[in-house]
Amino acid sequence: GAGVSQSPSNKVTEKGKDVELRCDPISGHTALYWYRQSLGQGLEFLIYFQGNSAPDKSGLPSDRFSAERTGGSVSTLTIQRTQQEDSAVYLCASNRGGRTQETQYFGPGTRLLVL
Amino acid sequence: GESVGLHLPTLSVQEGDNSIINCAYSNSASDYFIWYKQESGKGPQFIIDIRSNMDKRQGQRVTVLLNKTVKHLSLQIAATQPGDSAVYFCAENAGGTSYGKLTFGQGTILTVHP
Repeated sequence: GAGVSQSPSNKVTEKGKDVELRCDPISGHTALYWYRQSLGQGLEFLIYFQGNSAPDKSGLPSDRFSAERTGGSVSTLTIQRTQQEDSAVYLCASNRGGRTQETQYFGPGTRLLVL
Repeated sequence: GESVGLHLPTLSVQEGDNSIINCAYSNSASDYFIWYKQESGKGPQFIIDIRSNMDKRQGQRVTVLLNKTVKHLSLQIAATQPGDSAVYFCAENAGGTSYGKLTFGQGTILTVHP
């Protein structure tokens, strides 16, 4: 695709429910990243995938958060038993990965509101 | 850790002025830096990047300056336009085992008045 896409754009859920957020990276990008952005704040790293494996998941805030990537492409971020403090914009990014540093290209984000 | 404040810094300029947005970083191991622009309701958009073996890099209407001695990064925007109004973030990466992780500053709100 032309850019990183994410779905849904917006998600409203009730406290205690599970949610799944989807990210479709730029075609050919082997590395995929998830970040969280709370209102008026900078981005907070959650997890990084190189292919289907996650070398760095140090940013996941609790065991309620998990992510997977299959086929080296689409990734799903799952939040179980959502809490109000999980309300934020969840951003996904991708790049060519490997052991070179290059910019990460971001999707539009999923705005999650937990009531 | 990150260099952050409780309130986002703001910069207000007139159209046509030059803008300078500053960022302090705290990790002396960081060797790759990126500036992003984020408009309301959108994801961050890449502006320019710089590696630690450089102290200046220019793009179209933008220049990034890196001072490793004082761990300071700045973004200069020439002839600022109303379309430049957004939140600007600096991000750093330390490579090594942290190849995948960008650490972001809190951002600066730029408002350009016509």
